[in-house]
Amino acid sequence: DVVMTQSPLSLPVTLGQPASISCKSSQSLVHSDGNTYLNWFQQRPGQSPRRLIYKVSNRDSGDSGVPDRFSGSGSGTDFTLKISRVEAEDVGVYYCMQVTHWPPTFGQGTRLEIK
Amino acid sequence: QVQLVQSGAEVKKPGASVKVSCKASGYTFTNYGISWVRQAPGQGLEWMGWISAYNGDTNYVQKLQDRVTMTTDTSTSTAYMELRSLRSDDTAVYYCARDPTWDYWGQGTLVTVSS
Repeated sequence: DVVMTQSPLSLPVTLGQPASISCKSSQSLVHSDGNTYLNWFQQRPGQSPRRLIYKVSNRDSGDSGVPDRFSGSGSGTDFTLKISRVEAEDVGVYYCMQVTHWPPTFGQGTRLEIK
Repeated sequence: QVQLVQSGAEVKKPGASVKVSCKASGYTFTNYGISWVRQAPGQGLEWMGWISAYNGDTNYVQKLQDRVTMTTDTSTSTAYMELRSLRSDDTAVYYCARDPTWDYWGQGTLVTVSS
């Protein structure tokens, strides 16, 4: 199975400051169809996971309305989720997840808290 | 709007079975699959398996293969996950999610296994 390793596991951030979460996979996430199936999820306390980013860098719009302060980047085995200016509503746990290879696998999660 | 609505919390004794439902609305049920993910208290996300709502094909994580069965009822747009021979470490919140997009999740069902 593909192992997804996130860092840091705990991320204290001052309101209004940027935040960055790394996700590294044990093998390339480039699919044979040319796409890279790497998602990012946010899980606020007591809530279900919410997809923020799909295929590395596509931010969810529509019903979920993910703010544009969230962005995703990366390629191959190294990926990053960035929040340009952290707000109080961003508190929660962030997970990367790959669905390029079977079975789907999640990172351990990164807990973002306000300093 | 797309919704996945799960059944309510369950308390079971070790050795018993539980069946969780996930009723879909707002989209063509047979155009997608359903994945099941669980989250033990204070822990991360664990993918359990997938079912195609189109033809009923399934794929389960190896460690649960002998104890889990996923089914769908296309007449009611409902997916089901049954877990047998419950143990205390099966205590978790169980989520369904629309697959392969992972863009919609159920609200979660807490299953508590306790004698």
